[in-house]
Amino acid sequence: QQQVKQSPQSLIVQKGGISIINCAYENTAFDYFPWYQQFPGKGPALLIAIRPDVSEKKEGRFTISFNKSAKQFSLHIMDSQPGDSATYFCAASSAGGGNKLTFGTGTQLKVEL
Amino acid sequence: DTAVSQTPKYLVTQMGNDKSIKCEQNLGHDTMYWYKQDSKKFLKIMFSYNNKELIINETVPNRFSPKSPDKAHLNLHINSLELGDSAVYFCASSHPLLGGGGNTIYFGEGSWLTVV
Repeated sequence: QQQVKQSPQSLIVQKGGISIINCAYENTAFDYFPWYQQFPGKGPALLIAIRPDVSEKKEGRFTISFNKSAKQFSLHIMDSQPGDSATYFCAASSAGGGNKLTFGTGTQLKVEL
Repeated sequence: DTAVSQTPKYLVTQMGNDKSIKCEQNLGHDTMYWYKQDSKKFLKIMFSYNNKELIINETVPNRFSPKSPDKAHLNLHINSLELGDSAVYFCASSHPLLGGGGNTIYFGEGSWLTVV
């Protein structure tokens, strides 16, 4: 049972374009939704995170949009750069879950010149 | 100075062998984790420890045994290795979760295990 569904599996965007990755969750107890970025040969690193009391959070070129009623959240990367090429994972955790992250299946992003 | 370091980075071993992966964090965190990333890049938690105490133990074969000698170290020992154990194993750490929401989890660079 995949509690956090992520799409697309892969994404190719032109430099300067907008990259959009979507996630949907099932467990209504989830109350923390981070996005992690992973480069080849490295561990995942936190990119940006949101809690369900807000509908949007922006940090530089990265924005999370959160729709609590639809149980969906998405990552928008504005002005995508070749250096953004990586695998992106959405995740979710709950207060009663001991900070256990449930990850989506990942999106491999390639930003072309 | 690496925050979460794990050794070895690469490990190739034969079926049936026993191997260990060591992890150390210098972030002063109380909570440490082991995550497994399979060939399709799917990440799944295996264990978490808070100040040397086992907190999360997902459905993991008994052949996998974590050990935390102190809160800065969490090692993973695997007995009787099988082909299906081939994966990347990530150690991670965070502050303990207090109240709602979540805390940032810091991952190491991974240990690439190949069982032949």
